[in-house]
Amino acid sequence: EVQLLESGGGLAQPGGSLRLSCAVSGFTFSNYPMTWVRQAPGKGLEWVSGIRDFHNHTYYADSVRGRFTISRDNSKNTLYLDMNSLRAEDTAVYYCAKVTVTHTWFFDLWGRGTLVTVSS
Amino acid sequence: QSVLTQPPSVSGAPGQRVTISCTGSSSNIGAGYDVHWYQQLPATAPKLLISVNNNRPSGVPDRFSGSKSGASASLAISGLQGDDEAEYYCQSYDSSLTAWVFGGGTRLTVL
Repeated sequence: EVQLLESGGGLAQPGGSLRLSCAVSGFTFSNYPMTWVRQAPGKGLEWVSGIRDFHNHTYYADSVRGRFTISRDNSKNTLYLDMNSLRAEDTAVYYCAKVTVTHTWFFDLWGRGTLVTVSS
Repeated sequence: QSVLTQPPSVSGAPGQRVTISCTGSSSNIGAGYDVHWYQQLPATAPKLLISVNNNRPSGVPDRFSGSKSGASASLAISGLQGDDEAEYYCQSYDSSLTAWVFGGGTRLTVL
């Protein structure tokens, strides 16, 4: 069974840090790019970051570049998102998703999400 | 303000057909980048509904269809059912932003 399971969410103070993890099973993790997408309370979807399957090229939305770092450990089938200098506007449910590449990327499998709340 | 523009809401009676538009620009849909659609049922994660403009993943009913023309795309849902009530999002790539982008989402209400 395919499964993407996010963890690591919780309450963080402004300026603080969190590390999100996404444990994957049911498909060959190392063969696919992966991505993080977030959804602020009551708002729409926002793409956050992506990472290639090979050579670990990474991509970031302007809103998080320089503060967030995406990485992966193919030996552990796990995707990470290190979030630093957190702001109130980073409060959201964070989803990890598997990427399928055609002319562009689309996100064909999603986890259930983990809630990050940034507040003092 | 989303790069891809969707109507905030649409509605229709059971059995009817509705369409949801997704309007982009010359740096995303108009540049030839594919459009994908996601369905998000209340309090659940998004689910891929249509990929590469008009392809349905396994398990998605053929009541759902997608199209793309110029800088716009549309999702059509025919034979509306109560469990189609959800938020629908379009997604593409924007070369000016060098980022994958979503529409603002459209809430479908089945009357």
